Amino acid sequence: QKEVEQNSGPLSVPEGAIASLNCTYSDRGSQSFFWYRQYSGKSPELIMFIYSNGDKEDGRFTAQLNKASQYVSLLIRDSQPSDSATYLCAVFPGGGADGLTFGKGTHLIIQP
Amino acid sequence: DAGVIQSPRHEVTEMGQEVTLRCKPISGHDYLFWYRQTMMRGLELLIYFNNNVPIDDSGMPEDRFSAKMPNASFSTLKIQPSEPRDSAVYFCASSVSGVQETQYFGPGTRLLVL
Repeated sequence: QKEVEQNSGPLSVPEGAIASLNCTYSDRGSQSFFWYRQYSGKSPELIMFIYSNGDKEDGRFTAQLNKASQYVSLLIRDSQPSDSATYLCAVFPGGGADGLTFGKGTHLIIQP
Repeated sequence: DAGVIQSPRHEVTEMGQEVTLRCKPISGHDYLFWYRQTMMRGLELLIYFNNNVPIDDSGMPEDRFSAKMPNASFSTLKIQPSEPRDSAVYFCASSVSGVQETQYFGPGTRLLVL
């Protein structure tokens, strides 16, 4: 069974600091990796995706992928109170007909 | 664009009743996904469609759940009979052309089965 693991938190980070969110996955053949943000009572929205090993930057967000170690992370620089949300890691296995497998999410709190 | 539309937004029903959730995907999107979210299990894919055809229904919990997509602009998820353990938020999402494309989620239906 494909599994995606995240620390549920809450992860508390002071405003202006770097927030680091981690995710591990069990299926070594997984091809694509996604970070969705979900505010309380709202629906998930995509903020980053990464396909290749290494770093991918988009504004204050950086996604990091290490396929050998089967982990993907999300860094948020200059954290703002508006970044307080639950961050869901999702994995696409590639091939076949499987859909995305989501982790349970990490609850991030940015302290003003 | 109006985004993904779901109805009803809230549903309270009694155990044993039939529940029908509705979804209208974004126009032009070929893929439609049904998810269920609970605190215990997180966000789980139930079923997804490509061009109105069900592709992967391995996440459908049991025979009490069924989903249809009669045309490109409408899908239903039906639970019959409903049970208290079905209480969750049910999300519909759509994407332009694939599972790994950006999935746009609707606002969700909060279902409570008493």
